[in-house]
Amino acid sequence: EAGVTQSPTHLIKTRGQQATLRCSPISGHTSVYWYQQALGLGLQFLLWYDEGEERNRGNFPPRFSGRQFPNYSSELNVNALELEDSALYLCASSLGLAGAKQETQYFGPGTRLLVL
Amino acid sequence: AQSVAQPEDQVNVAEGNPLTVKCTYSVSGNPYLFWYVQYPNRGLQFLLKYITGDNLVKGSYGFEAEFNKSQTSFHLKKPSALVSDSALYFCAVRVGYSSASKIIFGSGTRLSIRP
Repeated sequence: EAGVTQSPTHLIKTRGQQATLRCSPISGHTSVYWYQQALGLGLQFLLWYDEGEERNRGNFPPRFSGRQFPNYSSELNVNALELEDSALYLCASSLGLAGAKQETQYFGPGTRLLVL
Repeated sequence: AQSVAQPEDQVNVAEGNPLTVKCTYSVSGNPYLFWYVQYPNRGLQFLLKYITGDNLVKGSYGFEAEFNKSQTSFHLKKPSALVSDSALYFCAVRVGYSSASKIIFGSGTRLSIRP
């Protein structure tokens, strides 16, 4: 069974540009989560999508946005990039089940974004 | 506020010795607790979780964790450490209900196993 996949593996942008990151969940999973892992910091929750809808959002500005497609894959868009957006962006998926607490999140390898 | 804490940034253990990576939590209601491991330049891998039942949870790669409700702890343990266990370990707790549900991660503990 294929795991969570993310593309690209690395992305280099300049300040002010836009970045688009992609994630494909494990087959059968309807929930997709996005996290930011900046150097020296832990994982910060960004967004949660389930069944095509945004379910919850972390404490990030509106220039961080995304969407989930009918096949449950997801995009994370970061507009007006800033230097401090440089980080590893991790995607995770789980069985949706209306946010059931016991559901495990399975992570992809991440996209490393570098903003120059 | 609901939170999870990993009090040690780094843990150093000799190969073959037992290891413990500490985690404490503060949540309302019953906690749903997880441990993940992150190897260099990789995503997080699920190790184990506590939902309910037996306080000793067994997971992948020989790891186990003990849930202690009175001490609000969920320490990760392994009887005999391997050099290949060297990685970054995250404790996490699931909080909230339904659409307000999310996982809160600890700050991570870097485990270093010396030969």
